[in-house]
Amino acid sequence: DSGVTQTPKHLITATGQRVTLRCSPRSGDLSVYWYQQSLDQGLQFLIQYYNGEERAKGNILERFSAQQFPDLHSELNLSSLELGDSALYFCASSVDGHDNYGYTFGSGTRLTVV
Amino acid sequence: SQKIEQNSEALNIQEGKTATLTCNYTNYSPAYLQWYRQDPGRGPVFLLLIRENEKEKRKERLKVTFDTTLKQSLFHITASQPADSATYLCALPRGSSASKIIFGSGTRLSIRP
Repeated sequence: DSGVTQTPKHLITATGQRVTLRCSPRSGDLSVYWYQQSLDQGLQFLIQYYNGEERAKGNILERFSAQQFPDLHSELNLSSLELGDSALYFCASSVDGHDNYGYTFGSGTRLTVV
Repeated sequence: SQKIEQNSEALNIQEGKTATLTCNYTNYSPAYLQWYRQDPGRGPVFLLLIRENEKEKRKERLKVTFDTTLKQSLFHITASQPADSATYLCALPRGSSASKIIFGSGTRLSIRP
C-alpha cells in the first residue's frame, strides 16, 4: 500500500456519460497530480493541485476538470466521455510540489468507455 | 518543450547480468532526473532521484548516472533477478522551474532465469 488511495479501481461506462474519480493523497503530502496512461501514449500529465489550488495544467481536455478539497483529497471529473478516454488514470502525491523526493502513485482507476 | 527518449524496445537479459537502460532528453538540462519502476496494471514506484550536480547515485543494486553534456541518464541494475522484470520510466521536470514531472514512455526489462 503506497498510501495514496484511488477509487474506484475499475469503472465501465457508456459514451457521453460523466464519471468522477477520487484520490486521497498520502498523509502529509500537499500536492496531488493526475496522470492518464493509455497503451499508445504512456503517462500523460493532466493537472496538479497544491494545498487546494491549481498549480499546473498539462494535456487536460476541456471535458475534464479537477479540484482539491480542504481535506486535500482530489477528484477528477470526466464528462461527455468518448471511447478514446478509456485508459488508466493515476493520482500521485508529493510533499511540497517540487518533487525532490519523488511522487507516490496510487494503484489507479481503470476506465473503460463502451 | 522538454522531450524524453527511452528505448521502446524491450531489453532481455540473463539473470545475474547487469541491465543498463538509457534515458535521453532534449532542450534544457533539468535540475534533477528520476527513475521509476512500473509493473503491469500498477502505479509507478519511485526508485531514485539524481540532481544535476551529481554524477552518480547508488541504492542497493541500482546505480544511476547523469551526464548533462550528453543529456543522458543511465540506469543500471547489477546482479539482475527475474523479480526485476518490469517497465522502467525516466522522469524529469516539464520546465526549467516546473514542479511537475513528465515521463518517458519507459523501457520494458525482462530478466530470464
